[in-house]
Amino acid sequence: SQTIHQWPATLVQPVGSPLSLECTVEGTSNPNLYWYRQAAGRGLQLLFYSVGIGQISSEVPQNLSASRPQDRQFILSSKKLLLSDSGFYLCAWTRTGMSSYNEQFFGPGTRLTVL
Amino acid sequence: GQQVMQIPQYQHVQEGEDFTTYCNSSTTLSNIQWYKQRPGGHPVFLIQLVKSGEVKKQKRLTFQFGEAKKNSSLHITATQTTDVGTYFCAGSGFLHAGGTSYGKLTFGQGTILTVHP
Repeated sequence: SQTIHQWPATLVQPVGSPLSLECTVEGTSNPNLYWYRQAAGRGLQLLFYSVGIGQISSEVPQNLSASRPQDRQFILSSKKLLLSDSGFYLCAWTRTGMSSYNEQFFGPGTRLTVL
Repeated sequence: GQQVMQIPQYQHVQEGEDFTTYCNSSTTLSNIQWYKQRPGGHPVFLIQLVKSGEVKKQKRLTFQFGEAKKNSSLHITATQTTDVGTYFCAGSGFLHAGGTSYGKLTFGQGTILTVHP
């Protein structure tokens, strides 16, 4: 069966510090991968998606970047965090192909607080 | 771009009452998905509707997809405390990468349901 992992689960960082969040998927190959951010009490904002190794597309301009160094590894990074980067970061995967018809499987999330 | 609006934002009910959340898209959708997020948890897929006018049921949950494929609803009959959480609809559109189209979900803002015992 497939599983998706995210770490860390919670993170408190000072403004201006770097960030690295990791997501890995097990039990499947060549998944489509997504990073979302959820502000408190709000919906999900798509940040990045990837259809393959080294292929990253950004949905919104921001202070963050993403990388996919391996097939089942997706990393979210920042060089200098802003207060507005606080939120709940969710990684998700779908089966490859026309994934508009595929359900998204979400990881447990990372709750980031920037102080 | 595609926008998906969901109402109400909050709903408080007494246990045993019914609950409905509505989802409206600015564009015609190829399909719509519903997710539930328990407090402190992550979204979990509930169901997908594809056909115009489609109705699907999961025990006390009834999902509908509008005839024009621009709106959808989730109705819970006789709510229980285990129904507490945020319910999201997500309409599908397409992303483009490497000359190919891939699915993209645009999530509504969600309806936060609280159930008082």
